[in-house]
Amino acid sequence: EDQVTQSPEALRLQEGESSSLNCSYTVSGLRGLFWYRQDPGKGPEFLFTLYSAGEEKEKERLKATLTKKESFLHITAPKPEDSATYLCAVQANNAGNMLTFGGGTRLMVKP
Amino acid sequence: DAGVIQSPRHEVTEMGQEVTLRCKPISGHNSLFWYRQTMMRGLELLIYFNNNVPIDDSGMPEDRFSAKMPNASFSTLKIQPSEPRDSAVYFCASSPYWTDTQYFGPGTRLTVL
Repeated sequence: EDQVTQSPEALRLQEGESSSLNCSYTVSGLRGLFWYRQDPGKGPEFLFTLYSAGEEKEKERLKATLTKKESFLHITAPKPEDSATYLCAVQANNAGNMLTFGGGTRLMVKP
Repeated sequence: DAGVIQSPRHEVTEMGQEVTLRCKPISGHNSLFWYRQTMMRGLELLIYFNNNVPIDDSGMPEDRFSAKMPNASFSTLKIQPSEPRDSAVYFCASSPYWTDTQYFGPGTRLTVL
């Protein structure tokens, strides 16, 4: 069974204090790993897809990386508007279009 | 371009009543997904359709839940009879054939009293 574990569950940062969120996964053949951002009262918003170990993608202050067992979402010099829940999901080779989500990391950035 | 549209945004009902949630996917997308999100269990896939055909419904909790997709632009998720433990936020997502990325709607917050 595919499993995704995110840590920490919650993270408080001061504005400008860089950090990383972790997503560990076990899957029977990874087809893709997805990062989403979710604001309170809204649906998840797509950020990145990573397909192979060593791949990196960047968007503004966010950079996602992938290894064979985990992915990291690095946040550089965060701002209060980066506060949200970040969700990681995996898609297995034999699972069609299905995604398995982790529990998320709730990020709070204080000014 | 309009995103995924869900209605109603909020639904409050009493135990035993029938509840119908509605979703309009992004035009041109051929896959549609229904998810449920709770604090305890996170975001769980209930069922998904490809080209209006149900592909995997293994996440549907029990027979009280049913989903249909009569055409490419409309889907419903029905709960009959509803129970308090069904209280959650229900999301619909859609995906085009050329990518695995799923685009989520704003969700329906369901409260069953």
